[in-house]
Parts: sequence; structure tokens; C-alpha cells
Amino acid sequence: GENVEQHPSTLSVQEGDSAVIKCTYSDSASNYFPWYKQELGKRPQLIIDIRSNVGEKKDQRIAVTLNKTAKHFSLHITETQPEDSAVYFCAASKGVGNYQLIWGAGTKLIIKP
Amino acid sequence: EAQVTQNPRYLITVTGKKLTVTCSQNMNHEYMSWYRQDPGLGLRQIYYSMNVEVTDKGDVPEGYKVSRKEKRNFPLILESPSPNQTSLYFCASSTPGQGLIEQYFGPGTRLTVT
Repeated sequence: GENVEQHPSTLSVQEGDSAVIKCTYSDSASNYFPWYKQELGKRPQLIIDIRSNVGEKKDQRIAVTLNKTAKHFSLHITETQPEDSAVYFCAASKGVGNYQLIWGAGTKLIIKP
Repeated sequence: EAQVTQNPRYLITVTGKKLTVTCSQNMNHEYMSWYRQDPGLGLRQIYYSMNVEVTDKGDVPEGYKVSRKEKRNFPLILESPSPNQTSLYFCASSTPGQGLIEQYFGPGTRLTVT
């Protein structure tokens, strides 16, 4: 069936360095790829998303890239700060115009001071 | 304030005792969904609803029921809870407007079944 693989499961980086989280999806009809951030004890919240007609999207220190041919998409966080510590989830839509999302298992990002 | 609310936030119960977790949204969203979150497994969808009186199974529906009698409410029912349903539960809602399908999550309900 459809799935989204997310790597790594845990990522530890020094404050100020960059962090990259990668996801691979299987459904070639997927056309929407969001990233959610979940701080400890809180609800997941959307931080950035990208559609299949775009290769890259940036919002201040975070960016997402999409390679449709390889079915890969990645989250890039530059100049990491302590408040970036959280669990990050990637997801892919189930087909075109579908409300359903297939979720990755999550990456715990730890920012070391 | 636009929001998704869940009640209760924390619940400890015993095996077999029926319970309901409520979910309500004030954003007039058509789509609502229930997830469970377990360590290392991410978010797994239990049930979802595309609109009033329209519900469908997600990836892990066994042991759960839902109903959607009103647009704003989407309760999750555990008829006979078991210890393997101990988890963190999230309700979420969304609307397609202009192609966006951002999901807004409730604060979560931590359920322990002993």
C-alpha cells in the first residue's frame, strides 16, 4: 500500500548548524506535501507545505524541496535555534485533490546548545 | 478564536468500560479526522468524515466508532476499551478552500486503559 518513509528518526545538531530531514513517498499521484512540527506536549502544527508543481519553497529559516521523479522531499532548517527542538512529521496526500494524508513516522530533532 | 477542542484531555479507565472522547471545531470545516499517536509509529488515522453523516475507516479502525450528526462535532467512541488502546488521541479538521488542506489539530487526549 501507500506509505511515506521518514529519516532519520532522531537528529541531533549543534545550535546554529543546519538540519535536514528526508521523506520518500510511494504514491505517484500524491500532489501535496506538508510538514508538521510537534513540540513536546503540544499538538502538531503545519509549518510549511509544497505542491507538486513547485520544486522548492522557502519561509525564513525553513525550506522544503521536492523531487517528483525520485519521489523524495526534504525539510531544511538553517541556523537552528533551541526552539526548533521538536518532532517533525512529513506527509503526502493520497492522490490528487484528496483530503487524506499518509504520514511519516516522525523525526525527533534535538538542538544542542 | 478558531479552534479544535477535545474533551477530556486526560482519561484513565478500566478495560471494557465504554467511553466517548468529544471533538468540536468552530471553523465550519467539512473534513474531520481522528488519529492515535504512539511512540515510533507517528500519526495513524482511525476514522475520518468528509461531511455530515459521511464517515469512513482509516488505517486502524478496529475497536473504535465515530458519528457525524452535526458539522462541528465528531465524537470518538470506544465501546469496550482494551489496554492496547492506551494512546494519545488527536482530532483534526480541515477544509479544501482554494486547494489548501491544512489540518488543524485539537490539543490531544491522553487515554490510559488498565
